[in-house]
Amino acid sequence: DVVVTQTPPTLSATIGQSVSISCRSSQSLLDSDGDTYLNWLLQRPGQSPQLLIYSVSNLESGVPNRFSGSGSETDFTLKISGVEAEDLGVYYCMQATHAPLTFGAGTKLELK
Amino acid sequence: QVNLLQSGAALVKPGASVKLSCKASGYTFTDYYIHWVKQSHGKSLEWIGYINPNSGYTNCNEKFKSKATLTVDKSTNTAYMELSRLTSEDSATYYCTRNNIGTTDYWGQGVMVAVSS
Repeated sequence: DVVVTQTPPTLSATIGQSVSISCRSSQSLLDSDGDTYLNWLLQRPGQSPQLLIYSVSNLESGVPNRFSGSGSETDFTLKISGVEAEDLGVYYCMQATHAPLTFGAGTKLELK
Repeated sequence: QVNLLQSGAALVKPGASVKLSCKASGYTFTDYYIHWVKQSHGKSLEWIGYINPNSGYTNCNEKFKSKATLTVDKSTNTAYMELSRLTSEDSATYYCTRNNIGTTDYWGQGVMVAVSS
């Protein structure tokens, strides 16, 4: 199975601060169809996960553009440019290139 | 609008089975696969498997192949997951989620399963 490693496990930020989360996979996530199926999800407390970014850098409809994703092959980054209170929760990266789909352990974003 | 409505929480005894439902609305049910995901308390997410609602074809994580059975009822736009021979390790929240070209774009609200005698 592809192992997806997220860092840091916890992130403390002030409102307005920019932060980044790293996600590394044990194998390249470049699919034979040319796409890279690395996605970012946010799970707010008591809620279901919601999709933020798909295929590395594509913003899901309705997601604020302070969120951005980048990377390739095995190294990926989620950046939040100016944290807002509603951004607090646990962020997961998820790969869907290889079966079984696998998720990172999560990064908890909390207020400093 | 797309919605995945899951059945209510379940308290079941060890050794029993439980069947969870996920009713889809707001889109053509047979156009998108449905995935099931497990989240143990306070932990990360585990992919259980997916079903193609059009054909009934399933693909499950090896870890869950003897645990989970995925089915659909196209007449009611509902996906089901039956979990068998339940143990305390199966106590978790289970989500259904819609597949959309290499991602999971809509998620159900989740259903909590508690296994206890």
